[in-house]
Amino acid sequence: DGGITQSPKYLFRKEGQNVTLSCEQNLNHDAMYWYRQDPGQGLRLIYYSQIVNDFQKGDIAEGYSVSREKKESFPLTVTSAQKNPTAFYLCASRRDGTYEQYFGPGTRLTVT
Amino acid sequence: AQTVTQSQPEMSVQEAETVTLSCTYDTSESNYYLFWYKQPPSRQMILVIRQEAYKQQNATENRFSVNFQKAAKSFSLKISDSQLGDTAMYFCAFMKMAGGFKTIFGAGTRLFVKA
Repeated sequence: DGGITQSPKYLFRKEGQNVTLSCEQNLNHDAMYWYRQDPGQGLRLIYYSQIVNDFQKGDIAEGYSVSREKKESFPLTVTSAQKNPTAFYLCASRRDGTYEQYFGPGTRLTVT
Repeated sequence: AQTVTQSQPEMSVQEAETVTLSCTYDTSESNYYLFWYKQPPSRQMILVIRQEAYKQQNATENRFSVNFQKAAKSFSLKISDSQLGDTAMYFCAFMKMAGGFKTIFGAGTRLFVKA
């Protein structure tokens, strides 16, 4: 089945550690996105990539980094510089020339 | 910058009745898309309905329809014959048709459908 996978579903880390969230898609989509969701707020864009080896900052990129070495993969690293990393993280992809984003199931990150 | 406002944090409706969720947005763009997404307790985001700004006709998908008022920058969602499975967070979203197709989401409306 085609889709987007995010792993793991739940992730726990100690403060000061970097952590990488996985996002993989087999839809052959060109664009990929990372969002953060906090209680009482909508999704906020962290980073996006329209093509391999290229990505742009979204609205809340500070403390995060990404790479796009392969079309199907767009991992997100939450660095120790991110002041409030505990949140629900959603990855999405979109086929070039279309409007619809397809979302993964999300990763809940808890940093203590 | 674009903004999306959902003024109703929570709503409830009786099963089989109709409910309308409000959304307003602010933009200087002329070409854009508007969406309603549903996020059930599983937290999987599901596209409910979309509207192209250049189309005057309101979009409809089965029990879901929108009232798109471009001049007023209003985009409400009407759910008819509400079902228990409609219980979810609903997000209104705006997508500019350029520059990476970035999407701006509202804060969401939590809808409870009561039996």
